[in-house]
Amino acid sequence: DSGVTQTPKHLITATGQRVTLRCSPRSGDLSVYWYQQSLDQGLQFLIQYYNGEERAKGNILERFSAQQFPDLHSELNLSSLELGDSALYFCASSSRIQAGGRNEQFFGPGTRLTVL
Amino acid sequence: AQKITQTQPGMFVQEKEAVTLDCTYDTSDQSYGLFWYKQPSSGEMIFLIYQGSYDEQNATEGRYSLNFQKARKSANLVISASQLGDSAMYFCAMREGNRDDKIIFGKGTRLHILP
Repeated sequence: DSGVTQTPKHLITATGQRVTLRCSPRSGDLSVYWYQQSLDQGLQFLIQYYNGEERAKGNILERFSAQQFPDLHSELNLSSLELGDSALYFCASSSRIQAGGRNEQFFGPGTRLTVL
Repeated sequence: AQKITQTQPGMFVQEKEAVTLDCTYDTSDQSYGLFWYKQPSSGEMIFLIYQGSYDEQNATEGRYSLNFQKARKSANLVISASQLGDSAMYFCAMREGNRDDKIIFGKGTRLHILP
């Protein structure tokens, strides 16, 4: 158990809908990262938040948005869902005392999103 | 161009043998970090080992070691005395520079340990 929790574990929805994925980082970790894992694209970095502020952005679609709240939990919002958004969405956290260095990321169990 | 290349989509290895998973990377940064993660069939991502670009010694964590060859831009994972529980997907990943902590993952290698 990494200490990172994600809810829900599974989510099934229809095209055009909007969903929210939730992540609670490990106790004390200030950084939260979101990743998407799909069969065709592999594991892709979406976005990073550090102590409530956006720090890095990857291949995140405009239909997707995220935020980190004062209690450090984070939410990833996916809207106007398409079939291709079906994937495993991971949240990870790290202590990130300073950028760079070992700073390994601890991953949650993921949320499997199925868009029908 | 791919930043992280894992050329072995799948490998079969006899239990108790050592196994080497290949990883090459591409970056123009002098400061970077290399990671290996394991993803069992249950789906979670498990951190295994880290190597910084300025680390002079190869990283080791228990049965895992990283064969870091900087000039060749190679960061192979070596698992000694493989066990059935090592069967999983293995991902090599890189963090470029020190600007942020974005990690780029390779496509992965699926390792099967045979009894």
